[in-house]
Amino acid sequence: QVQLQESGPGLVKPSETLSLTCTVSGGSISSYYWSWIRQPPGKGLEWIGYIYYSGSTNYNPSLKSRVTISVDTSKNHFSLNLSSVTAADTAVYYCARLTNSPERVVYFFDYWGQGTLVTVSS
Amino acid sequence: SFELTQPPSVSVSPGQTASITCSGDVLGDQYACWYQQKPGQSPVVVMYQDSKRPSGIPERFSGSKSGNTATLTISGTQTMDEADYYCQAWDTRTGVFGSGTRVTVL
Repeated sequence: QVQLQESGPGLVKPSETLSLTCTVSGGSISSYYWSWIRQPPGKGLEWIGYIYYSGSTNYNPSLKSRVTISVDTSKNHFSLNLSSVTAADTAVYYCARLTNSPERVVYFFDYWGQGTLVTVSS
Repeated sequence: SFELTQPPSVSVSPGQTASITCSGDVLGDQYACWYQQKPGQSPVVVMYQDSKRPSGIPERFSGSKSGNTATLTISGTQTMDEADYYCQAWDTRTGVFGSGTRVTVL
């Protein structure tokens, strides 16, 4: 059974960089796309971006200038960096795996981490 | 960017049918997926490719799409189905979630 676990600081100061890692266990990070999604308290889900195990990425246009997602296949984990954070970046951050449908026509999130709350405050 | 519009809330009596809509231009040629999120938990996929049910999801969940609107239907709704539901789609490799619909089983 694939499991994902987010880790990183729960408190980040304004203007600094938020850094999180998602460790994948029970399966290989290879041959899949991996994504970050966030959810501000009491609000909806927002897709941040994804990375393929080979390193290719795609980001939400609204966050693109501040986001970097990287992967380390040797450690079976991938990471999120979000720079110049403000209080608006306070959210539960989820990592998730993208899998292709059997007909290979759409990707969907089939495994999710438990989420980690990151608060931006001085 | 594109948007997916959902009603904020849907109320349903136990045993009745709940329908949640998701509207957006991108759905005219892209598939919709649906996620269920219960309080304090991570989302779980309940439908992909408009109408495909992942293994382990009860048959009372079904999906459909007509034009630019996708619909998630819960037949014979149970109290355990009370949750937030989000639709999601892709457009040129960019993902977006709908605003979410809270299903209340009264």
